[in-house]
Amino acid sequence: GQNIDQPTEMTATEGAIVQINCTYQTSGFNGLFWYQQHAGEAPTFLSYNVLDGLEEKGRFSSFLSRSKGYSYLLLKELQMKDSASYLCAVRDWETDKLIFGTGTRLQVFP
Amino acid sequence: GAGVSQSPSNKVTEKGKDVELRCDPISGHTALYWYRQRLGQGLEFLIYFQGNSAPDKSGLPSDRFSAERTGESVSTLTIQRTQQEDSAVYLCASSLAGGAGYGYTFGSGTRLTVV
Repeated sequence: GQNIDQPTEMTATEGAIVQINCTYQTSGFNGLFWYQQHAGEAPTFLSYNVLDGLEEKGRFSSFLSRSKGYSYLLLKELQMKDSASYLCAVRDWETDKLIFGTGTRLQVFP
Repeated sequence: GAGVSQSPSNKVTEKGKDVELRCDPISGHTALYWYRQRLGQGLEFLIYFQGNSAPDKSGLPSDRFSAERTGESVSTLTIQRTQQEDSAVYLCASSLAGGAGYGYTFGSGTRLTVV
């Protein structure tokens, strides 16, 4: 089975940097995804990590350590529009199923 | 199509009625997923279709829930004898086989309200 943990809520200030952590336990790992979901909208794909290390995409970066079962999403130069829920999801090796954490709701204040 | 299309976008139904939700995946995407999201909560896996393999139904919460998919096209999720706890947004996602690094593309969801 799989278990995915992330903080429920976080707050940050416009222009700042915020790190959203995700820890997971899985019987078979085949990649970790981060999604952004604005209130009332569908989740949108942000990043994918399958090997250890940091993947950078503009203001957003995602890190993975498979040995520690740990990932984080780093958001730089925060903007008000970054206020959203951020979902961590792990894909199971055997079933190819994507299992989501409960999401972290980020509020960015001016 | 260009994206994953779900219909209806909103559905209000009376307790005890049956409902059918539809998902049109991206053309060529062999994998299709249904998730449920209750207000303020995360995504709960319901069912997964991959090509011609038997679907993974391990997430369906009760036998009132069923889903079908014809080949690699449209899928329908049916909820029989709806209950108030079925009220949620039902999201469909599709991906290429294995999803690789491209992620899963979600539809806008069907907001189901059981009154």
